[in-house]
Amino acid sequence: GQQLNQSPQSMFIQEGEDVSMNCTSSSIFNTWLWYKQDPGEGPVLLIALYKAGELTSNGRLTAQFGITRKDSFLNISASIPSDVGIYFCAGPRTGNEKLTFGTGTRLTIIP
Amino acid sequence: DTAVSQTPKYLVTQMGNDKSIKCEQNLGHDTMYWYKQDSKKFLKIMFSYNNKELIINETVPNRFSPKSPDKAHLNLHINSLELGDSAVYFCASSQGINTGELFFGEGSRLTVL
Repeated sequence: GQQLNQSPQSMFIQEGEDVSMNCTSSSIFNTWLWYKQDPGEGPVLLIALYKAGELTSNGRLTAQFGITRKDSFLNISASIPSDVGIYFCAGPRTGNEKLTFGTGTRLTIIP
Repeated sequence: DTAVSQTPKYLVTQMGNDKSIKCEQNLGHDTMYWYKQDSKKFLKIMFSYNNKELIINETVPNRFSPKSPDKAHLNLHINSLELGDSAVYFCASSQGINTGELFFGEGSRLTVL
């Protein structure tokens, strides 16, 4: 089935560093969403993007809907310990109500 | 107040048993979902109900049967449990079927021995 590939698979960074991750698909998506999953919890929606080229911020998080509609990017500035978790991109393909989740990027902050 | 609540949070059982996971949402949403997250953290949709009607039924064994008594509840019953059923099962809800803005429960970790 359709899979969204996220890169990198995992990241080990120091507190205060900026983080960049991306999500790519072979199909066009009409919505891109970014979720974060804390250990032992369910995913929580961070940012939703609805238009190609759209750039949206939520605090230290900024996400972009790629112009080709086949990719999206998430940046986290000045990381803090509570940023640790797994970040998932997700989206419904055009004309399809089913939400597909990406493979995830695991963020770890090294003390 | 928990928006989407699942019970039980942990479930350990023997192969061949039947078990159920319950889910309730108090957000007034009309669409509910069951997702399965495997050991590699892949999240895959299993079922979706909109106003108690089944709208998404992925390639899931017949041993899995969802039931939605009303639009605030979506339960999952699993018959004849197998080792491969071990996973974390997440319930979620949304307002409308064409939105990706889902609210997830905390998950139910099922371990089949």
